[in-house]
Amino acid sequence: GQQVMQIPQYQHVQEGEDFTTYCNSSTTLSNIQWYKQRPGGHPVFLIQLVKSGEVKKQKRLTFQFGEAKKNSSLHITATQTTDVGTYFCRSGNTGKLIFGQGTTLQVKP
Amino acid sequence: DAGVTQSPTHLIKTRGQQVTLRCSPKSGHDTVSWYQQALGQGPQFIFQYYEEEERQRGNFPDRFSGHQFPNYSSELNVNALLLGDSALYLCASSRTSLVSYNEQFFGPGTRLTVL
Repeated sequence: GQQVMQIPQYQHVQEGEDFTTYCNSSTTLSNIQWYKQRPGGHPVFLIQLVKSGEVKKQKRLTFQFGEAKKNSSLHITATQTTDVGTYFCRSGNTGKLIFGQGTTLQVKP
Repeated sequence: DAGVTQSPTHLIKTRGQQVTLRCSPKSGHDTVSWYQQALGQGPQFIFQYYEEEERQRGNFPDRFSGHQFPNYSSELNVNALLLGDSALYLCASSRTSLVSYNEQFFGPGTRLTVL
């Protein structure tokens, strides 16, 4: 069945450094969504990518969807302590809705 | 708008018991999905309800069942609880579409502990 893999599992950065998490699917995706979950909280929707090669920006966050629609990335420029949390990608194909395992970001002030 | 609400927030059960968790979707949403999130893991899709019927199902045994009511609220039932069922159970609502393109709004979850 379809698998969605995310790397790295954990990332510790110094405040101000950049951060990137990668999401890879075993099958072509119709779309991909990104969520952020703060410690003790619930997932909160960040963005959805639909088109091949799509790039979207939200302030310091840049999201990319691969040309083959099998991978995606989230890049944070100049991390801040408010960026702490776990970032999940989620496949959006009709059928089972599959989340990646998440990348937990720790930011040292 | 209260957003997605879930009850109860915490629950402690013993092995073999049965549990019912409840979810009210965000106003205007008609589709409810349930997820199980074990500690340190991503949410695992259990099933999705639309028009009072189960539309999609993940890899969960028949011990996990659900229901959606005419007002779009939903229940998740788990029978014959196992220790491994201990997790955060998340409900997410969205507006229906023919494909799963829509943003999901998550509730705060129910923390279930099975002893």
